[in-house]
Amino acid sequence: GIQVEQSPPDLILQEGANSTLRCNFSDSVNNLQWFHQNPWGQLINLFYIPSGTKQNGRLSATTVATERYSLLYISSSQTTDSGVYFCAVVDGSARQLTFGSGTQLTVLP
Amino acid sequence: DTEVTQTPKHLVMGMTNKKSLKCEQHMGHRAMYWYKQKAKKPPELMFVYSYEKLSINESVPSRFSPECPNSSLLNLHLHALQPEDSALYLCASSQETVNTEAFFGQGTRLTVV
Repeated sequence: GIQVEQSPPDLILQEGANSTLRCNFSDSVNNLQWFHQNPWGQLINLFYIPSGTKQNGRLSATTVATERYSLLYISSSQTTDSGVYFCAVVDGSARQLTFGSGTQLTVLP
Repeated sequence: DTEVTQTPKHLVMGMTNKKSLKCEQHMGHRAMYWYKQKAKKPPELMFVYSYEKLSINESVPSRFSPECPNSSLLNLHLHALQPEDSALYLCASSQETVNTEAFFGQGTRLTVV
């Protein structure tokens, strides 16, 4: 099956800093989503982005499907941005989301 | 409305108990999913229902029994679980199984004692 790798595994930032999270995948994808999992376990949809660039407030994402990676940018980070960020993909043969191992983000006040 | 509702939020059960987890969505989605997530790990797929029919079972033990009574509801029946089954159980739905955005419920945190 498809392999999904996220980096870095852990990231600690001071409030106000910017960051870039990366997601590499091993095969072509039909679907790519970024999620934020809050401390209570809820997976919150950030972006549905199989290709191209999208922005939502302080967050933006870019997927370069031909090079098999996606980037999530967080600008002016806030303590409420803390949590685990997951990239998940659906490849051509599967009918399920396969998750990467996640990036644990901690934003310090 | 992009809401998937799961009940209960927390559940503690003994190894001889029978319990059920419930998931509901009213977005008209035709695909529904159960995922299991252990601490500090990503969610792992258990089951996929497409148009109320089971389409994927990821070799899940028979002590987990899914049911899709209608297009809005998904249940997970639990029986004779083991302590290692303690985890966060997440339900999700999407318009179709491919090329469409998936939405997750807040999860049921299950503890087996």
